Amino acid sequence: SSELTQDPAVSVALGQTVRITCQGDSLSNFYASWYQQKPGQAPVLVIYGENKRPSGIPDRFSGSSSGNTASLTITGAQAEDEADYYCNCRGSGSHPWVFGGGTKLTVL
Amino acid sequence: QVQLVESGGGVVQPGRSLRLSCAVSGITFSSYAMHWVRQAPGKGLEWVTVISYDGSGKVYADSVKGRFTIARDNSRNTLYLQMNSLRLDDTAVYYCAREVSVTTESAFDYWGQGALVTVSS
Repeated sequence: SSELTQDPAVSVALGQTVRITCQGDSLSNFYASWYQQKPGQAPVLVIYGENKRPSGIPDRFSGSSSGNTASLTITGAQAEDEADYYCNCRGSGSHPWVFGGGTKLTVL
Repeated sequence: QVQLVESGGGVVQPGRSLRLSCAVSGITFSSYAMHWVRQAPGKGLEWVTVISYDGSGKVYADSVKGRFTIARDNSRNTLYLQMNSLRLDDTAVYYCAREVSVTTESAFDYWGQGALVTVSS
């Protein structure tokens, strides 16, 4: 399957650590990339490859991967991290690129 | 300053056509593959299509294959999406995005602000 599965919603207390996961067969062969999207805004790349952060992304964001599961971890979540998070990965066949369904992160 | 600016969105009747443009500045355009990604109202991101750096390779999602055509003009640093036979379920914000990739790593590092396409009778 070329699908990527994410939990629809996750919550975290302010300052605590949260992990957002993404599962899919393609993740066994390709690294995931992660995008943060706030309401009314375009997605922003936060993690890609083997735990790489683009310039300007806080180091509280990190990524990891094991087998067919990729994870985005926010260590010390801040109020401004409340957003939708999407994983993406190269796929195969008729789904050469695929996004997960997204996870809505609420910071309590 | 990096800018990807989409234009050409609007309201169109089912079955009609529309062409989106994405003007890129502040980053290297001609060396990278470019994508279109869309997002229906209240829904998640959906990958639509990709074009190789030189325009020689194009791949489409099944949902748009045969109806949409991606193109680029590297002399104008501009990406295009020709959308024909539009359907109600094509209603979405359409984003252009640059891809960076090395072997098993691939990511969309720059995105436009999006262009809203509304298909309605």
